[in-house]
Amino acid sequence: DSGVTQTPKHLITATGQRVTLRCSPRSGDLSVYWYQQSLDQGLQFLIQYYNGEERAKGNILERFSAQQFPDLHSELNLSSLELGDSALYFCASSVGGTARSYGYTFGSGTRLTVV
Amino acid sequence: KNEVEQSPQNLTAQEGEFITINCSYSVGISALHWLQQHPGGGIVSLFMLSSGKKKHGRLIATINIQEKHSSLHITASHPRDSAVYICAVSPNYGGSQGNLIFGKGTKLSVKP
Repeated sequence: DSGVTQTPKHLITATGQRVTLRCSPRSGDLSVYWYQQSLDQGLQFLIQYYNGEERAKGNILERFSAQQFPDLHSELNLSSLELGDSALYFCASSVGGTARSYGYTFGSGTRLTVV
Repeated sequence: KNEVEQSPQNLTAQEGEFITINCSYSVGISALHWLQQHPGGGIVSLFMLSSGKKKHGRLIATINIQEKHSSLHITASHPRDSAVYICAVSPNYGGSQGNLIFGKGTKLSVKP
C-alpha cells in the first residue's frame, strides 16, 4: 500500500455519461497530481492541485475538471464520455508544491472503460 | 520527436543477466524519475535523480546532465523484475511544477 488511495479501481460506463474518480493523498502530502495512461498516448499529465488550489495544468480536456477539498482529497470529473477516454487514470501525491525535492507517490489507478 | 526517448522498447533477458535501460531527453530538467509498472497496473517510483548515481538493492540509476542521458541498471535480474520501466522528467521551465513528461516505457521480461 503506497498510502495514496484511488477509488473505484474499475469503472465501466456508457458514452455520454459522467463519472467521478476519487483520490486520497498520502498522509502529510499537500499536492495531488492526475495522470492519464492510454494505449496510444502513454502517460500524460492532466492537472495538479496544491493545498486546495490549482497549481499546474497539462493536457486536460475541457470536458474534464478536478478539485481538491479541504481534507486534501481530490476528485477528477469526466463528462460527456467518449470511447477514447477509456484509460487508466492515476493519482499521485507529493509533500510540497513540486515533487523536485521529495518525489511522487502513486496510487494504484482507476481503470475506466467507456462502452 | 518525443521529448523523452527510451531504449529498448522491449527487452527479454535470462535470469541472472545484467540489464541496462536507457533514457534520453531533450528539455531542461530539474529531476529525472524512474518508475516501475507491473502488469497489474500500479506505478512505483524507483528513483528520483538530479545528478550522479543512486543505488537501491540490485537497482542502480545514473544520470549525465550534460549529455541529457540516464540509465537504469538491474544486476542479477530475476523474473520478479519483469515489468514496464518508465523514465520521466520534471521540466524546469515555468509553470510546469507538476508536469512530468514520460517516456513510452521499456517492457522487460526476465525468463527463469
